[in-house]
Amino acid sequence: QKEVEQNSGPLSVPEGAIASLNCTYSDRGSQSFFWYRQYSGKSPELIMFIYSNGDKEDGRFTAQLNKASQYVSLLIRDSQPSDSATYLCAAGGNFGNEKLTFGTGTRLTIIP
Amino acid sequence: DVKVTQSSRYLVKRTGEKVFLECVQDMDHENMFWYRQDPGLGLRLIYFSYDVKMKEKGDIPEGYSVSREKKERFSLILESASTNQTSMYLCASSWGLGTISYEQYFGPGTRLTVT
Repeated sequence: QKEVEQNSGPLSVPEGAIASLNCTYSDRGSQSFFWYRQYSGKSPELIMFIYSNGDKEDGRFTAQLNKASQYVSLLIRDSQPSDSATYLCAAGGNFGNEKLTFGTGTRLTIIP
Repeated sequence: DVKVTQSSRYLVKRTGEKVFLECVQDMDHENMFWYRQDPGLGLRLIYFSYDVKMKEKGDIPEGYSVSREKKERFSLILESASTNQTSMYLCASSWGLGTISYEQYFGPGTRLTVT
């Protein structure tokens, strides 16, 4: 059974600070990794994906992947109150027609 | 822009009714998915389809069926709705060709209440 684990939180971070969200995955064969943001009552929205070891930056967001440790993280710089949401981590496999495995999400609250 | 639409945002049905939830995507994606999301339980996959007329059971298929007659459309059917099927239903789609799993794009969701 493939698993993706996240700390459910809540994680509270002061406005302007860096928020760090972490995720581990059980299937060593996973090849693609995704971060989704979900506001309360809304559907998940893709914010980052990463396929290769290392860092990938997009604006205030940085995704980090360490395949040896089976660990993915999301850093949010200069956190804003609008970043308050639940963040879902997901891992994908070796085939295009495979489903993703989602974590249960980390609730992030940015404190003004 | 990828667009995934769902037929209703809110739906109220009675126990025993047959319920149809429809999802349409405009990106020519091969894969389509139906999830339900409940507080504390995360996203749970009900069914997915990787091609027209093809379907695979997800983690919780009991009480549900699906239909995919056209590539852009994926329907979820509750044959006889029950109160424990009250939930947020989310449809998603993704590219399906290649050697990795690609990102899924979600529709806005349907909040179904069964009374």
